[in-house]
Amino acid sequence: TQLLEQSPQFLSIQEGENLTVYCNSSSVFSSLQWYRQEPGEGPVLLVTVVTGGEVKKLKRLTFQFGDARKDSSLHITAAQPGDTGLYLCAGFGGGSQGNLIFGKGTKLSVKP
Amino acid sequence: GAVVSQHPSWVICKSGTSVKIECRSLDFQATTMFWYRQFPKQSLMLMATSNEGSKATYEQGVEKDKFLINHASLTLSTLTVTSAHPEDSSFYICSAGGLKNTEAFFGQGTRLTVV
Repeated sequence: TQLLEQSPQFLSIQEGENLTVYCNSSSVFSSLQWYRQEPGEGPVLLVTVVTGGEVKKLKRLTFQFGDARKDSSLHITAAQPGDTGLYLCAGFGGGSQGNLIFGKGTKLSVKP
Repeated sequence: GAVVSQHPSWVICKSGTSVKIECRSLDFQATTMFWYRQFPKQSLMLMATSNEGSKATYEQGVEKDKFLINHASLTLSTLTVTSAHPEDSSFYICSAGGLKNTEAFFGQGTRLTVV
């Protein structure tokens, strides 16, 4: 069974601080995705990383895929209150069906 | 990206009644859709895989007779929660895959409250 361990589960920081969220697995994933979810809404895709060692930037967010494609990280620089939300990493499970396996999520709260 | 529409966005029902949730792919055909459940402050857990024209595949621990899934067309899958109980109260989300197994498009979710 493929599992994604995400940490930390909760993070409360002040505006302007930096943070990193980690997503680890003992399994190799062909790709990993990061989502952000607001309360009462479905997840919204932020980025997909596909190549081992890949780094993608989305404004103040930096995503990295491990060389062995077993782990990924999300780094936010100078966090803002608007970054508050639930961040989820996810990878496609084995087989051809295409279902996503989600990490437990990181609940981020950025205080002004 | 592709659009998946889920309806209703929220519903309140009495214990013992049944509730149907619809998931539609608006601008693409989806032979496979997925139903997830999310309890407060938790992540999404896959409940079942809905296959067009055939029976759904349920994850371990999910009662197939309680959570009825119908995928009658390439653009519509429905999840019916039968004989609902308060413990079924949750956020239910559907998703559909794109042509490549590297894409997933999510509905807006349905907040079910059973009283």
